[in-house]
Amino acid sequence: EAGVAQSPRYKIIEKRQSVAFWCNPISGHATLYWYQQILGQGPKLLIQFQNNGVVDDSQLPKDRFSAERLKGVDSTLKIQPAKLEDSAVYLCASSLDGLPYEQYFGPGTRLTVT
Amino acid sequence: DAKTTQPPSMDCAEGRAANLPCNHSTISGNEYVYWYRQIHSQGPQYIIHGLKNNETNEMASLIITEDRKSSTLILPHATLRDTAVYYCIVSNQGGKLIFGQGTELSVKP
Repeated sequence: EAGVAQSPRYKIIEKRQSVAFWCNPISGHATLYWYQQILGQGPKLLIQFQNNGVVDDSQLPKDRFSAERLKGVDSTLKIQPAKLEDSAVYLCASSLDGLPYEQYFGPGTRLTVT
Repeated sequence: DAKTTQPPSMDCAEGRAANLPCNHSTISGNEYVYWYRQIHSQGPQYIIHGLKNNETNEMASLIITEDRKSSTLILPHATLRDTAVYYCIVSNQGGKLIFGQGTELSVKP
């Protein structure tokens, strides 16, 4: 079974530029999550989708971050404009039924904002 | 904020049991204890979860105290590949995962 795919794996941009990350979940998984992990901290949930609808985006900085999940499969997370404090690993996870014990994580995208 | 307290780091000798403690004194009746781990440069990986009974699977055992205010994850025979950050998370069945800083376990030869 293929795991959660993410791209790119690494990205370096200057502050005020924009960036987008892509996630392809495990086939058939209805729930998709985006997490932000700052160095030395645990992952923090940014947004949760159930199919193509948003379930929870309470921690998403909506003035600069946006996410979509068209057709309930792939998802993109965008940052525009980026700030230095956005430097982090962005993790995508998916689960079949949205249960806490069945989240499968991708390898993440490491973003460096200079 | 995370509802759990874990030591920031622990060492374990290869082949010995690794016992990782977690305090969750404010856990409520419908909340489970979940354990995930994160190997360097990878995403977190689910290990085990439980409500009040002890649980065992192919990866680990979970011991939950009778008052449910603390638990211990046991890796029975730690290997170098078990070196990772281990997260103890408390959440209800439909809830989200709120990660703390976890315990960085170093397994040494």
